[in-house]
Amino acid sequence: DAKTTQPTSMDCAEGRAANLPCNHSTISGNEYVYWYRQIHSQGPQYIIHGLKNNETNEMASLIITEDRKSSTLILPHATLRDTAVYYCIVRVARSSNTGKLIFGQGTTLQVKP
Amino acid sequence: SQTIHQWPATLVQPVGSPLSLECTVEGTSNPNLYWYRQAAGRGLQLLFYSVGIGQISSEVPQNLSASRPQDRQFILSSKKLLLSDSGFYLCARQGVDTIYFGEGSWLTVV
Repeated sequence: DAKTTQPTSMDCAEGRAANLPCNHSTISGNEYVYWYRQIHSQGPQYIIHGLKNNETNEMASLIITEDRKSSTLILPHATLRDTAVYYCIVRVARSSNTGKLIFGQGTTLQVKP
Repeated sequence: SQTIHQWPATLVQPVGSPLSLECTVEGTSNPNLYWYRQAAGRGLQLLFYSVGIGQISSEVPQNLSASRPQDRQFILSSKKLLLSDSGFYLCARQGVDTIYFGEGSWLTVV
């Protein structure tokens, strides 16, 4: 699975959009970009994933560059409850054998009042 | 709904004692299952994964072992705990296109 690079930490004002970047320059053609978040002392929570096109769900939007070497997770109206560590992961969605996720260090997002 | 149960939620064990953490999954058959560990202040590390009953793959050499005695049961064990085994242990299962995590088990080795 390709490696990702994320900033260690970011701040965001409550009510504003939080834009979390991720670089994955070695991504393969069959690898998806996944985003998870982990609130302190809880298990990671799936947010969104995509292959080429931008994706949106009730939690967030995912913008993937045309060359697929980077992406941005957008939380449109951040709340204090969005304070968490956000992980960007690339993997094959339907792996032929394991489908395992390899986590990096993630970005600690601090939403401030 | 597809649910992951982990227990115990919190555990304090002395060095050298045995360990057994259990994970059961509901609502799905023959899932890929995973054990992750998160040491204090560190990221999530994949320890083991299983694609079926009795099939265990280890990702890192360590003091722990895993077993899958039933399709929906995944157990993490140790014969003798070390201080370095302390951490947050997460069981996870493969979904349609992603992986879902349980709420975790906190282990403190003293």
